[in-house]
Amino acid sequence: GESVGLHLPTLSVQEGDNSIINCAYSNSASDYFIWYKQESGKGPQFIIDIRSNMDKRQGQRVTVLLNKTVKHLSLQIAATQPGDSAVYFCAENGNGRGAQKLVFGQGTRLTINP
Amino acid sequence: ETGVTQTPRHLVMGMTNKKSLKCEQHLGHNAMYWYKQSAKKPLELMFVYNFKEQTENNSVPSRFSPECPNSSHLFLHLHTLQPEDSALYLCASSQLVAGTRTDTQYFGPGTRLTVL
Repeated sequence: GESVGLHLPTLSVQEGDNSIINCAYSNSASDYFIWYKQESGKGPQFIIDIRSNMDKRQGQRVTVLLNKTVKHLSLQIAATQPGDSAVYFCAENGNGRGAQKLVFGQGTRLTINP
Repeated sequence: ETGVTQTPRHLVMGMTNKKSLKCEQHLGHNAMYWYKQSAKKPLELMFVYNFKEQTENNSVPSRFSPECPNSSHLFLHLHTLQPEDSALYLCASSQLVAGTRTDTQYFGPGTRLTVL
């Protein structure tokens, strides 16, 4: 069945280091993937997305990598800052039909140590 | 701010109460969503509305009743809830574009609901 899961529920990194957050998905029909960031007391905030016809996409300080062979998605954050502390969710569109029925992972809490 | 507002931000209600959650999007989108976020569980899609028409009900109990009077407003009417319904209820909106599969959903801040 459809499932999206994260390898680690928590991740602590030193300020200034790079962070890598991983996500596994099981539905091979998924063709659209998104990373969201959720800070305390706020709703999820879109960070970056990637389609299945790509294996890498870069944004501002963030890079998403997609490995369809092993159904793995990762979010890399360069030079992490205190403001990056949040829970990060990956999501997939599951059945590959549009982006309305997103399937979310459980989330990884990223903590930045000073 | 994402352009999606939700009121109230916090709500405490008894199991016999009737209350409503309100969502408004200022993005000109044509699709709106309700999600439930419980502690230690993934975000769960509840309802989807496209052009004011409900297109998805993800097996949600009837004690949750959505209403979408227009493409900018979405309500979730609550009655005879259970303590296990306590959660963060998130609203989102997106712009459906024919032929694409990548319409991004933008979330509001959520309503923290506690059922006593």
